[in-house]
Amino acid sequence: NAGVTQTPKFQVLKTGQSMTLQCAQDMNHNSMYWYRQDPGMGLRLIYYSASEGTTDKGEVPNGYNVSRLNKREFSLRLESAAPSQTSVYFCASSPLGGLANYGYTFGSGTRLTVV
Amino acid sequence: AQSVAQPEDQVNVAEGNPLTVKCTYSVSGNPYLFWYVQYPNRGLQFLLKYITGDNLVKGSYGFEAEFNKSQTSFHLKKPSALVSDSALYFCAVRPSTDSWGKFQFGAGTQVVVTP
Repeated sequence: NAGVTQTPKFQVLKTGQSMTLQCAQDMNHNSMYWYRQDPGMGLRLIYYSASEGTTDKGEVPNGYNVSRLNKREFSLRLESAAPSQTSVYFCASSPLGGLANYGYTFGSGTRLTVV
Repeated sequence: AQSVAQPEDQVNVAEGNPLTVKCTYSVSGNPYLFWYVQYPNRGLQFLLKYITGDNLVKGSYGFEAEFNKSQTSFHLKKPSALVSDSALYFCAVRPSTDSWGKFQFGAGTQVVVTP
């Protein structure tokens, strides 16, 4: 079982460049999430997708866009990267997020540096 | 809105000694409470959860946590720490009554277990 797969694992961008972080899960989960992790701030929700075809903003959505391509895949796009977006990005999934006494399954993360 | 506090940035403990990682929360209504662990360069892994019922919950790797409603706490404990328990620990909460409430994560507590 692969679980939640994120690509790439590492990326360095120049300010103003764009990129897409990919996430795929093979657990038939309905809900998917994008978080960023910064030292001393824990995990902050960027966007989430309750189910295929829906996306919603989280706590820190500015500068990001998402696409729920199908039930398996949920991508995060940075249109014009800024140094403040330097962070570790985690994708997560959950069977039924709205009924969550379920926890999340996390990917291994993407470490992004914007210079 | 819910919130989570992990008052200690770091906990240092000698191998074989008891380990406690503190978590307090604020949420409307009854909480769903989770603990996750993150090893270096890895995603978060589920440890245990409190949904309802017995206030003492047992989880993976010998960890347990006690839900205390009056003190709004959910401290993580292990009777005898191992060097391999050295990691970053996150507490997370969401209200049980909020259908699409997302989890709020604490800032994390770094646990260092010395031989």
